[in-house]
Amino acid sequence: SQQGEEDPQALSIQEGENATMNCSYKTSINNLQWYRQNSGRGLVHLILIRSNEREKHSGRLRVTLDTSKKSSSLLITASRAADTASYFCATETSGSRLTFGEGTQLTVNP
Amino acid sequence: GAVVSQHPSRVICKSGTSVKIECRSLDFQATTMFWYRQFPKKSLMLMATSNEGSKATYEQGVEKDKFLINHASLTLSTLTVTSAHPEDSSFYICSATGQSHKETQYFGPGTRLLVL
Repeated sequence: SQQGEEDPQALSIQEGENATMNCSYKTSINNLQWYRQNSGRGLVHLILIRSNEREKHSGRLRVTLDTSKKSSSLLITASRAADTASYFCATETSGSRLTFGEGTQLTVNP
Repeated sequence: GAVVSQHPSRVICKSGTSVKIECRSLDFQATTMFWYRQFPKKSLMLMATSNEGSKATYEQGVEKDKFLINHASLTLSTLTVTSAHPEDSSFYICSATGQSHKETQYFGPGTRLLVL
């Protein structure tokens, strides 16, 4: 079953603006990962944050994790049209098994 | 590094036929491979986990006789959809982890299956 819920389901912004996506989950996790998927393509791994970490950065990406609230957020700063894609969070509980959220469809308008 | 390929990228078949999808790790040894299914505008649903040389572990509700998984080598896993029906039409994606890539799953580009 999918334990991750993401909001918003869809987000439309202008180029240059920041985009924030949220993910909530239900069980204890080892780590939480964010992936990106362009339409009809496979997934690209963006960033992994472990359960004992609270924040992580990678380029224009910033991920936070609040294990007390069982939630995570992905912030994309200074968005570009090329950032248009679906973004999924995925939680790892054991054995490298990932459970994906429903995803956020991000549209960045030029 | 950590590239995973899938073949074919898309396939159209008639009802009742079987279709085999290959998943290969190109530059690392994949000790574990995962098979997912994704419906349009939906999330990925894990179908099964396969470890090299052993039987796949299927998720609840996934028919193992319908979706045959073989992980015969450290670089290749196959998913065979047997006696395909139109409701099997979907996007199938594999991923792989290896000894030096244990936490991160590297995904293939996916295979679009259409059963007529």
